[in-house]
Amino acid sequence: QVQLVESGGGVVQPGTSLRLSCEASGFTLRNYAMHWVRQTPDKGLEWLAIISYNGRDKTYADSVEGRFTISRDNSKSTLYLQMNNLRREDTAVYFCAKDTHHNTLTGFPDYWGQGTLVAVSS
Amino acid sequence: DVQMTQSPSILSASVGDRVTISCRASQNIRKWLAWFQQKPGKAPQLLIYEASTLERGVSSRFSGRGSGTEFTLTINGLQPDDFATYYCHQYSILYSFGQGTKLDIK
Repeated sequence: QVQLVESGGGVVQPGTSLRLSCEASGFTLRNYAMHWVRQTPDKGLEWLAIISYNGRDKTYADSVEGRFTISRDNSKSTLYLQMNNLRREDTAVYFCAKDTHHNTLTGFPDYWGQGTLVAVSS
Repeated sequence: DVQMTQSPSILSASVGDRVTISCRASQNIRKWLAWFQQKPGKAPQLLIYEASTLERGVSSRFSGRGSGTEFTLTINGLQPDDFATYYCHQYSILYSFGQGTKLDIK
């Protein structure tokens, strides 16, 4: 059974960095593209980034391009999201999600983790 | 960007009712639309993909229709477990989500 467990969230100050992790089990991570999506009460679900099965192709939402970096370590069955120069508006629950395909922009997120909360506040 | 607009934002219904949620895309997304159900504090759960294909294990009380820019999710014979928030999601041009429809008990 597919399981995705996010970690690394917390309370941070504006301008700082944070790295989220997503540990995958119940499926072969290296066979699938992976997503990060965040959710806030105001803006709802916002797609952030996708990475191909081998890590070579990455696509980002305009809102995080240049500040966030998606990466993966298939040997550790783990997906990452490096978030730099955090802003108050980045406060959200962050979800990782498995794609239905191995390449980017050909499938959609089918299984999601439970999410990890990031709060950016001074 | 493809904007997804759901209606209504809140829907009140009773157990046993049939309800329909609409989702409109700002551009033609063909059939590349999914529907998710989310309960408070939980991950979104996939219900339907490719506009009308039921995900394995999902009740046949759920059905989806549409193509292009207009889509609907219908739930027949509402059960207590169905009261949740529903999101449409397009994956034709990058990815985006509707703002959600909260289905609550009348």
